[in-house]
Amino acid sequence: RKEVEQDPGPFNVPEGATVAFNCTYSNSASQSFFWYRQDCRKEPKLLMSVYSSGNEDGRFTAQLNRASQYISLLIRDSKLSDSATYLCVVNGGSNYQLIWGAGTKLIIKP
Amino acid sequence: DAGVIQSPRHEVTEMGQEVTLRCKPISGHNSLFWYRQTMMRGLELLIYFNNNVPIDDSGMPEDRFSAKMPNASFSTLKIQPSEPRDSAVYFCASRPGTSLNNEQFFGPGTRLTVL
Repeated sequence: RKEVEQDPGPFNVPEGATVAFNCTYSNSASQSFFWYRQDCRKEPKLLMSVYSSGNEDGRFTAQLNRASQYISLLIRDSKLSDSATYLCVVNGGSNYQLIWGAGTKLIIKP
Repeated sequence: DAGVIQSPRHEVTEMGQEVTLRCKPISGHNSLFWYRQTMMRGLELLIYFNNNVPIDDSGMPEDRFSAKMPNASFSTLKIQPSEPRDSAVYFCASRPGTSLNNEQFFGPGTRLTVL
């Protein structure tokens, strides 16, 4: 089993729709969680950290379920510019190690 | 402010040749990471430096790979000899401090093709 698992997609979603992805992780001791965004042929960039109580940043909402060891990302009112690959990232056993999911590809269609 | 700078952006070489990738982290960041990304394996950590010292090189595939950080503003990743299976995008990232919650800032990557 991979340490961080994501549905690779692609998710094909009409503009304006709401879309959600989940990510599961295997290390129950993980304490830090993130969503990064990667555009085609570009570098990953931090989208948002995920906090225990859940957090929202504009159209984006991230939630953490420790009991089931999954993280979710919800995008409301999706825009064409949201098309990208979304990487789920979880810390490993050390204070520097991040374990990266393979990413979920999102395509927003007009 | 300049972000993480990597060079070259693209490299095409023949099997057996030496390849050197370069990275300049963001000024003031004391953690530096080298990653490799492929379609098959995703993003993999190769090596982590803290204050110019290699802390974890367990991700380095084999002895053909080596990395150095002679000072706080420069790091290299060398592959010698290169093989076709080394073809990938190599990212350098830096982070301020050692807190895990600090964002990692990635450079634009070096796209390496070994023929």
